[in-house]
Amino acid sequence: KNQVEQSPQSLIILEGKNCTLQCNYTVSPFSNLRWYKQDTGRGPVSLTIMTFSENTKSNGRYTATLDADTKQSSLHITASQLSDSASYICVVRHTGNQFYFGTGTSLTVIP
Amino acid sequence: GAGVSQSPSNKVTEKGKDVELRCDPISGHTALYWYRQSLGQGLEFLIYFQGNSAPDKSGLPSDRFSAERTGGSVSTLTIQRTQQEDSAVYLCAGRLDRADTGELFFGEGSRLTVL
Repeated sequence: KNQVEQSPQSLIILEGKNCTLQCNYTVSPFSNLRWYKQDTGRGPVSLTIMTFSENTKSNGRYTATLDADTKQSSLHITASQLSDSASYICVVRHTGNQFYFGTGTSLTVIP
Repeated sequence: GAGVSQSPSNKVTEKGKDVELRCDPISGHTALYWYRQSLGQGLEFLIYFQGNSAPDKSGLPSDRFSAERTGGSVSTLTIQRTQQEDSAVYLCAGRLDRADTGELFFGEGSRLTVL
């Protein structure tokens, strides 16, 4: 069964600290994996894409990793800011037009 | 338009009434998806349109749900005889098919509350 699981479900960190969000998937065959950020009351917005051959990709303070062998991805946020408070959703694309969504990690950054 | 537009942003209705939710995707995005997002749940696939092909309706939860896409652009999701369990945020997303990297461009959603 194609599934995407994320952990932790929620996370509270102090402003300026780092954090790492996890995503495990069983989607097969695999096309690519994206991390999306969803601010409260908004639609999700793509942060980064990982394809099968990529291990690490950075987008500013966001760094995503992918281990296609173990089917795990992580999103590391460096020097967190209050505006990072959001839900982070891992989305895996099947080799077709289907996308599988994790339930998201709710991140709260406090001053 | 510059982004995906959804309307209404909020809809409160009484149980048993019909509702229509509208999505206007980015021009040129030939693929269009509807998802439902309930509190604490991941996005649930409802329906997928791709160009002139027959839509993939495999995610529609019951025959009370239907959707159409006119002229390959605007889409309308209709829920008939609404039930309280239909309360959720309904998200529309478009995707550019050519040179496709699979990025979904979402609207801000329509929040439906069924009383």
